[in-house]
Amino acid sequence: SQTIHQWPATLVQPVGSPLSLECTVEGTSNPNLYWYRQAAGRGLQLLFYSVGIGQISSEVPQNLSASRPQDRQFILSSKKLLLSDSGFYLCAWSGGGASAYEQYFGPGTRLTVT
Amino acid sequence: GENVEQHPSTLSVQEGDSAVIKCTYSDSASNYFPWYKQELGKRPQLIIDIRSNVGEKKDQRIAVTLNKTAKHFSLHITETQPEDSAVYFCAAYGDYKLSFGAGTTVTVRA
Repeated sequence: SQTIHQWPATLVQPVGSPLSLECTVEGTSNPNLYWYRQAAGRGLQLLFYSVGIGQISSEVPQNLSASRPQDRQFILSSKKLLLSDSGFYLCAWSGGGASAYEQYFGPGTRLTVT
Repeated sequence: GENVEQHPSTLSVQEGDSAVIKCTYSDSASNYFPWYKQELGKRPQLIIDIRSNVGEKKDQRIAVTLNKTAKHFSLHITETQPEDSAVYFCAAYGDYKLSFGAGTTVTVRA
């Protein structure tokens, strides 16, 4: 069965510091991968998605970036965090082809920027 | 792009009553409509979904209906229980991604 991992689970970072969040998926190959952000009490904002290694689509231009260095690894980064970057960061995966619809979320990283 | 609207934003029901959440979408090319349940502090969990070639789908106490002509779909929860209290999100799929509604906070009163 497939499993999705995210780390760290929680993170407190000062404004202006860098960020690196990692997501890995097990038990599948060539998944579609997604990064979402959820502000406190709000909905799900799609940040980036990738349908293959090295391919990244950005939904919201901001101070975040994403990379997919390996088939089942997705990384979210920032060079300088803003207060507004605080939130719950969720990675999600879906299968390719006919299984591309169903998305499953990882456990999330709760980021607080101080 | 796709725009999904969800109503109501909050819903309070008596235990045992039914709850209905409605969503509309804008892109007629969307062909897959999932519903997610998110408990406080947890990840969203896929609870039911429907594809565009189906009008209704049931799974125990939950059901989803889809009206492609009107571009709206609904989640129905019957015989609500305290564990149904959560935030529910609808979504529509197109162009490799899901567009989510803003969410409905459901509270089941004992």
